[in-house]
Amino acid sequence: AQKITQTQPGMFVQEKEAVTLDCTYDTSDPSYGLFWYKQPSSGEMIFLIYQGSYDQQNATEGRYSLNFQKARKSANLVISASQLGDSAMYFCAMREGRGNKLVFGAGTILRVKS
Amino acid sequence: EPEVTQTPSHQVTQMGQEVILRCVPISNHLYFYWYRQILGQKVEFLVSFYNNEISEKSEIFDDQFSVERPDGSNFTLKIRSTKLEDSAMYFCASQFGAADTQYFGPGTRLTVL
Repeated sequence: AQKITQTQPGMFVQEKEAVTLDCTYDTSDPSYGLFWYKQPSSGEMIFLIYQGSYDQQNATEGRYSLNFQKARKSANLVISASQLGDSAMYFCAMREGRGNKLVFGAGTILRVKS
Repeated sequence: EPEVTQTPSHQVTQMGQEVILRCVPISNHLYFYWYRQILGQKVEFLVSFYNNEISEKSEIFDDQFSVERPDGSNFTLKIRSTKLEDSAMYFCASQFGAADTQYFGPGTRLTVL
């Protein structure tokens, strides 16, 4: 079974609008972490935001927020006020336990239109 | 701001040749990882390294692969006899503590001809 599912292969958003990128996960470990990374066309992996399974509040980092719904096992990334520079591939990833590897989803390509 | 660095940025090699990909993790980090991403596909875990030994490896990480932390700062991935299917972007990542964020290097694009 897929550990991380990103159902949107590609998304378009108008500049200055908000966009939600979906991510669902599957784990039986009560301790886990969820990450979002951005991969621009240049190829590097840029850390955006992290949510721990025991965190009571949704994580936020500037224009990025994570809509964490534990019961539904979803960890959607919300980007507010989209900018042209947000056009990139976005990966959701999960770490089960501590010190362990990340398991990545297939990614969502986001295109911001002017 | 400290960052993970990787060299070279692009390596072209002939099938059957050995390659060494180099990484310098963030200096106070304790956990180290290698991942790869075949063009257009998802990022796949290869190996994790902690306390000077491999802590986990994937099915991809067979006898052709090895890792080393030779001098306390570098973290290397060696592929002994490259195959065409080893062509990919290879990412090094590091994190400070067990529950901390993994930070990725810019990647090395390996092309095997």
